Amino acid sequence: QKEVEQDPGPLSVPEGAIVSLNCTYSNSAFQYFMWYRQYSRKGPELLMYTYSSGNKEDGRFTAQVDKSSKYISLFIRDSQPSDSATYLCAMSVFSGGYNKLIFGAGTRLAVHP
Amino acid sequence: GEEVAQTPKHLVRGEGQKAKLYCAPIKGHSYVFWYQQVLKNEFKFLISFQNENVFDETGMPKERFSAKCLPNSPCSLEIQATKLEDSAVYFCASSPQSEETQYFGPGTRLLVL
Repeated sequence: QKEVEQDPGPLSVPEGAIVSLNCTYSNSAFQYFMWYRQYSRKGPELLMYTYSSGNKEDGRFTAQVDKSSKYISLFIRDSQPSDSATYLCAMSVFSGGYNKLIFGAGTRLAVHP
Repeated sequence: GEEVAQTPKHLVRGEGQKAKLYCAPIKGHSYVFWYQQVLKNEFKFLISFQNENVFDETGMPKERFSAKCLPNSPCSLEIQATKLEDSAVYFCASSPQSEETQYFGPGTRLLVL
């Protein structure tokens, strides 16, 4: 069993839809939870970063962490064609000034006009 | 610089040849990470550095892979005697001392024929 599970999709939605992306994990030591967006043939770009359980909002994006269920989500409101990309969840334990990210497999999202 | 720089963008090698990839971390970042991204977006951690010191090399296939981060030089990842399965995109990321997030470069796409 992988430490981080993420449905690879693809997920196809119409423009303006609310998108929900999710990851589950098995390591209860994970403390930091991140969402990266990766466009085709580009490097991952950090979208959201949260610590511990709760919600964090940034514009059209909301990240949610439920540590009791070992479940994290990224919501995209009013989705746009420019949101079409692969979304990777990543999580880590920060120890000794260092963290190693464990990535999910990534979910491919297509937003069509 | 303000972004992680990686060279070359593309690299083609015949099986058995050597491949060398370079990474310049963001100025002031003391941690450097190398990842291998194979099909279906699976990210595999290879090695991390704190300044010029190897911090964690648990992901490195040591018989053919080596990496260095020397002062005043780009970091490098070298693959001796490449194999077909080494074909992947290799990403470098860097992180400041006290942050948990990592910032990625655009990657080097290696194709072994």
